[in-house]
Amino acid sequence: QVQLVESGGGVVQPGTSLTLSCGASGFIFSDYALHWVRQAPGKGLEWVSFISYDEVNKYYADSVLGRFTISRDISKNMLYLQMNSLKTDDTAVYYCLREGKLSHGNNYYYPFENWGQGTLVTVSS
Amino acid sequence: QSVLTQPPSVSGAPGQRVTISCTGSSSNIGSGYDVHWYLQLPGAGPRLLIYGDTNRPSGVPGRFSASKSGTLASLAITGLQAEDEADYYCQSYDNNLSAWVFGGGTKLTV
Repeated sequence: QVQLVESGGGVVQPGTSLTLSCGASGFIFSDYALHWVRQAPGKGLEWVSFISYDEVNKYYADSVLGRFTISRDISKNMLYLQMNSLKTDDTAVYYCLREGKLSHGNNYYYPFENWGQGTLVTVSS
Repeated sequence: QSVLTQPPSVSGAPGQRVTISCTGSSSNIGSGYDVHWYLQLPGAGPRLLIYGDTNRPSGVPGRFSASKSGTLASLAITGLQAEDEADYYCQSYDNNLSAWVFGGGTKLTV
């Protein structure tokens, strides 16, 4: 079955950098787009970044644009999120997601089909 | 402030029916973008509950249904059970923001 396992979270100071990793298994990694979504403590979900199946397209939320970089390594079935210039507002659990391609009738839909367990990033001085 | 608006909380007795609304705008739900719903049990990560406005993934009970009209999407849960207590999130895409967007989440108390 599909598994997504995040790692790399921890406690860091404002202004520093951190890289999150997500190991994927149970599906053909190169066939699927992936996302990062975060959830601040006690808050709702916030989409962070997208990478297409072929790495051609990468998109970011305005809140992280210019500071975060998403990438993937098809040879290792790994997704990454390089986070620079971290702010206290970046404190959250970060989830790695697989964008599904689900059919119903003649239509296809692209929800966040599979989620990892999340990794906690705490930005604090 | 979330782009999609959900009530912060809803409640119902076991066996009853509840609905959770998700109000968007002309740049997201009103533009025809699909609405998906997620369930987050306490202490766990979210999981897909409804995709493409109305469709249940395999394994999701028929007690869960959803609809969409104009800029409003709704999730209905019938025959409430204690294990339905969770946070529920709607999600779509916004073409003004060029971003995937979530509702603020609704806490269901049974």
